[in-house]
Amino acid sequence: NAGVTQTPKFRVLKTGQSMTLLCAQDMNHEYMYWYRQDPGMGLRLIHYSVGEGTTAKGEVPDGYNVSRLKKQNFLLGLESAAPSQTSVYFCASSDPGLNYNEQFFGPGTRLTVL
Amino acid sequence: GQSLEQPSEVTAVEGAIVQINCTYQTSGFYGLSWYQQHDGGAPTFLSYNALDGLEETGRFSSFLSRSDSYGYLLLQELQMKDSASYFCAVSGDSGYSTLTFGKGTMLLVSP
Repeated sequence: NAGVTQTPKFRVLKTGQSMTLLCAQDMNHEYMYWYRQDPGMGLRLIHYSVGEGTTAKGEVPDGYNVSRLKKQNFLLGLESAAPSQTSVYFCASSDPGLNYNEQFFGPGTRLTVL
Repeated sequence: GQSLEQPSEVTAVEGAIVQINCTYQTSGFYGLSWYQQHDGGAPTFLSYNALDGLEETGRFSSFLSRSDSYGYLLLQELQMKDSASYFCAVSGDSGYSTLTFGKGTMLLVSP
């Protein structure tokens, strides 16, 4: 049982490049989330999904897109990276049938945009 | 929208008791959660309070007062491994399925 995994762990991009971050969970959770964490800012919600095929905007969605084609995967895309998107990105999942407030987090992806 | 306030840093010594406070302003509220994060790693869930009162889980306890929009995390018998960042998070403003996190409190435990 791997829990929540994220790939890649580290990435350096140049301004304007695109990339996709992959999140996978093997706990059969309905809900999945993407956060970014910047120094002194805590965790801020980018997008989330309450089920396969559904997505919704969070607090800071601009510049990002997401897709949830399979229940176990949640993809975060950056179409044209900007230095302001340099951050640590965390994916999380939760089960509404148990306690949706208990979110299980992946190890994070450290992204630098030059 | 929501805003959460918690101290940026708290220091304590091994064996002591420390309380990390969290106040919130929300347009909707379902409950208050606490998470722990070591050295920028994956945050881990500690507790959740939906009702007023104290919830105890081992050395950690969490309290909520809905009328005061206030909660706290109480850590007893502090150990060096408790040095970490602690985040409070509220649910209820953007639907019941999402959390809004505070900026975090860094706890430094010294020998």
